[in-house]
Amino acid sequence: EAGVAQSPRYKIIEKRQSVAFWCNPISGHATLYWYQQILGQGPKLLIQFQNNGVVDDSQLPKDRFSAERLKGVDSTLKIQPAKLEDSAVYLCASSWGTDTQYFGPGTRLTVL
Amino acid sequence: AQSVTQLGSHVSVSEGALVLLRCNYSSSVPPYLFWYVQYPNQGLQLLLKYTSAATLVKGINGFEAEFKKSETSFHLTKPSAHMSDAAEYFCAVITISGGYQKVTFGTGTKLQVIP
Repeated sequence: EAGVAQSPRYKIIEKRQSVAFWCNPISGHATLYWYQQILGQGPKLLIQFQNNGVVDDSQLPKDRFSAERLKGVDSTLKIQPAKLEDSAVYLCASSWGTDTQYFGPGTRLTVL
Repeated sequence: AQSVTQLGSHVSVSEGALVLLRCNYSSSVPPYLFWYVQYPNQGLQLLLKYTSAATLVKGINGFEAEFKKSETSFHLTKPSAHMSDAAEYFCAVITISGGYQKVTFGTGTKLQVIP
């Protein structure tokens, strides 16, 4: 069974630029999560989808972050414009309903 | 509200020694508890999970954890550390509300294994 796929693995941008990350969950997993993991901290949930609907985006900085999950499969997370403090690893995870979450390898973002 | 506290951001053990990583949680409803491991430049991998069945949970790579409701703890142990256990370990509490998961991760404990 293929795992959660993410791309790109690494991204370096200047502050105020925009960036997008892509995630393809495990086939059949209806629930998809995006996390932000700042160096030295645990993952922080940004947004959770069930199929193509948002069920929790309470910690998403909506002035600059957006996410979508068209057709209830893959998802993109966008930052526009990026700030220095957005430097982090962005993790995508998926689960079958409320069962165990499986994580992708992450995208390491560096904002200069 | 829910929270997770991992005591000790760094733990060092000798190869062959007991590994003990501490996790305490707070939750107003019955929680599910997880331990994940993260190797450098990789995502999180599930070690084990407690989902209200047996309180002593066995996971991969010889790890186990015991859910103690009275102490609100879910400490991770391994009898004998191996060099390959060097990684960062995260405890997470998950509750179910409105048909979806509410997830909170701890800040992580980095395990160093000394030869």
